Amino acid sequence: GAVVSQHPSWVICKSGTSVKIECRSLDFQATTMFWYRQFPKQSLMLMATSNEGSKATYEQGVEKDKFLINHASLTLSTLTVTSAHPEDSSFYICSALPQGNQPQHFGDGTRLSIL
Amino acid sequence: AQSVTQLGSHVSVSEGALVLLRCNYSSSVPPYLFWYVQYPNQGLQLLLKYTSAATLVKGINGFEAEFKKSETSFHLTKPSAHMSDAAEYFCAVSFNTGFQKLVFGTGTRLLVSP
Repeated sequence: GAVVSQHPSWVICKSGTSVKIECRSLDFQATTMFWYRQFPKQSLMLMATSNEGSKATYEQGVEKDKFLINHASLTLSTLTVTSAHPEDSSFYICSALPQGNQPQHFGDGTRLSIL
Repeated sequence: AQSVTQLGSHVSVSEGALVLLRCNYSSSVPPYLFWYVQYPNQGLQLLLKYTSAATLVKGINGFEAEFKKSETSFHLTKPSAHMSDAAEYFCAVSFNTGFQKLVFGTGTRLLVSP
């Protein structure tokens, strides 16, 4: 089945550091990928839609300069949390949308902890 | 606007008992509806989806859900719970015609006791 790889799975870093998270579709091409954020014991909130070759579309309230998204190829989207602070600590999950009328496939998430 | 409501943040069942997780939706257009399962520190796995075909949808791991337009519901059931079913379950609805933006419910944690 369709596999989405997300890396790293866990990252701990100091406040002020920028952190990059990768999302790869391993066996299919995805013109569209999504980035979600999940707080403990809460649901997933869509942060942005990543479109290959164009600018990402951010949801209301999400700072695009804080959460930089790049979708340079049909199999890779990256989320960079710039100058991360403790309030950015969360579980970040990506998903990829296969071509054709197929549902999203999710990565295993990245737990980000900012000290 | 589309939304989903999951009644009950926690559901506890005994192994072998019926599992019923409730989901009600609100949508101004025919919805696409989904159930996902999430195990600790993992992403989401699709259990099943409704895309306007059969109202009774069968998914993986013995789960099924029935779309009831009159009740605006899409409840998830499984006849006999296994210990391995313990996880967080999310109901989701997508906008308009495709699998694009998903709006998730708040989730229901299923606890299975021996």
